[in-house]
Amino acid sequence: DSGVTQTPKHLITATGQRVTLRCSPRSGDLSVYWYQQSLDQGLQFLIQYYNGEERAKGNILERFSAQQFPDLHSELNLSSLELGDSALYFCASSVGGTQINEQFFGPGTRLTVL
Amino acid sequence: QKEVEQDPGPLSVPEGAIVSLNCTYSNSAFQYFMWYRQYSRKGPELLMYTYSSGNKEDGRFTAQVDKSSKYISLFIRDSQPSDSATYLCAMRVVRGSTLGRLYFGRGTQLTVWP
Repeated sequence: DSGVTQTPKHLITATGQRVTLRCSPRSGDLSVYWYQQSLDQGLQFLIQYYNGEERAKGNILERFSAQQFPDLHSELNLSSLELGDSALYFCASSVGGTQINEQFFGPGTRLTVL
Repeated sequence: QKEVEQDPGPLSVPEGAIVSLNCTYSNSAFQYFMWYRQYSRKGPELLMYTYSSGNKEDGRFTAQVDKSSKYISLFIRDSQPSDSATYLCAMRVVRGSTLGRLYFGRGTQLTVWP
């Protein structure tokens, strides 16, 4: 158990809908990262937050947004969902945001868009 | 072309075999190299990391980095059924605003049969 929690474990929804994925980092970790894992693209970095501020952005679609709250938990919002958004979404956390720190991954949320 | 290439396998070996897993990359700015292990329905967990070139050994696992060839390897000696998992290589830069971003290979699925 990495200490990173993600809810829900599974999510099934329809095209065009909006969902929110939630992540609680390990105690003491200030950085949160979001990744998407699909069969064709593998594990891809979406976005990083450090202590409430966006730190780095990757291959995140405009339909997706994220935020990190004062208690350091983070939410990833996915809107206007398409079939191709079906994937595993992982959250990871690390102690810092400006050094090379190990990222600890949560168990993931499996999103199925029908 | 993806920045990190990894043969997805699958790879199936008998118990006790030596396993070789490999990745190539194109970005010469990568200087920190990692191997993650991901069991089915779990998040990735860090197995080993290497900074810059050279070898690193940890028990039955050896990581090698050849920066001149942009090629990294993970060797598993005396493989065990419990090593059955997907192995993902990952890389990062070591400075700049994007150092939190990990670039992953697609992962190699390994099965070790008794």
